[in-house]
Formats: sequence, structure tokens, C-alpha cells
Amino acid sequence: AQKITQTQPGMFVQEKEAVTLDCTYDTSDPSYGLFWYKQPSSGEMIFLIYQGSYDQQNATEGRYSLNFQKARKSANLVISASQLGDSAMYFCAMRESNTNAGKSTFGDGTTLTVKP
Amino acid sequence: GVTQSPTHLIKTRGQQVTLRCSSQSGHNTVSWYQQALGQGPQFIFQYYREEENGRGNFPPRFSGLQFPNDSSELNVNALELDDSALYLCASSLQYSGEQFFGPGTRLTVL
Repeated sequence: AQKITQTQPGMFVQEKEAVTLDCTYDTSDPSYGLFWYKQPSSGEMIFLIYQGSYDQQNATEGRYSLNFQKARKSANLVISASQLGDSAMYFCAMRESNTNAGKSTFGDGTTLTVKP
Repeated sequence: GVTQSPTHLIKTRGQQVTLRCSSQSGHNTVSWYQQALGQGPQFIFQYYREEENGRGNFPPRFSGLQFPNDSSELNVNALELDDSALYLCASSLQYSGEQFFGPGTRLTVL
């Protein structure tokens, strides 16, 4: 069974600094996809970035990058130049090859607080 | 985008509830998730072209429908206190790498 582990319940970062949110995963499937979502206090889940297991390069989307280390089964999210609006809950999620994104398994999240 | 109604709902134990979702236009797949306080979303089930296309570890009293007009429903019978949660729907194209979430319905069971 697939499993996502986020070991940091809460993280603090100073505005304009970079922060790394940890995610490790467990799957026996060689083909899978990894996602990061942001959930502000309003509740809506916002897609940030996607990494496929066969992608050769780490995914980047603006200030977000995914540090994918396949052998270690980790997919850490790096947010550069943090902004106050980045304060939110962040979830790592995974889908296996025979499923689509809509059957994802989520971790329990990390609450990020950006300090001015 | 994806919309959900109602925003908030309060029910008592044993009652039944219907939550609604309107998918993004053109999306043929809708997934429902339950998110308990302080936890990540848990996959309930998915509908593709009006048929159930996978279910998570939820009992049969959780059921759903998908309609041809991009709308869908989540029905929960015999509500229990532990059903109190944020219910999220997400729409996508089948075999797509991305899903789009609605704002959620917060259900409180007293």
C-alpha cells in the first residue's frame, strides 16, 4: 500500500528566506506521480507542482521546486523567497501508475508560518 | 472552476446528508475526499462517466452520483460523529496528472 509521510507538523520561516518541506513516500510501483498542494485557511486545495517518477529533472514552478531523490524515496518542496501569503498548510500526495491524480494518497501536512 | 454547496452544514447523528459539486467544464472525472481536522484528505471514491471508478476505505453508507451536466453528489446515510470533516471534491480528466479542487463543504455532526 502506498504511504506518504510528512514529519514536520509545523515550520517557521522568515520572509524572503527559502524553506524546505519534507516528504517521504513508500510504494512498490515503479511508475508513480508526486504532487504538492497548498491549503490556506479558507480550505481550498491549490495545486503547486508535480513530479513523475520517470522525470529526469526536478520539477520547478516559479518559486516552487521539488527536490526529488528517488533512491531515498523523498520529494521535498522548496519554496524560495518566502512571502507572507505562503503561510498555509502544505500537503504532499502520490498517485500510483494505474490510477489518475484523483485517487491520490495524501500526507498529514505541514503548517508553514512566514514571519515578517 | 469547481464549486461545492453548501459551504457549511450541521446535522445530527443518524441523519442523512447530500453534498453537491459542480466540476470544471469538460472534466469527466470527479473524486471525493474527506479531510478530518488536522489530517490530510482521504480518498472516498471516484466517478468516471457516471460510474464508480474506485473507492477508498469507506463504508457503503457513503455513496455518490455523477450526472451528465458536470455535477455530482456525495450522500452519507446514518451520520456518525466521526463524519464531521471537510469534504472536498476534485475534478479532472481521466488519466490526467492534475486535479482541481473545490472549496469544500464543512460538515458538523452533533
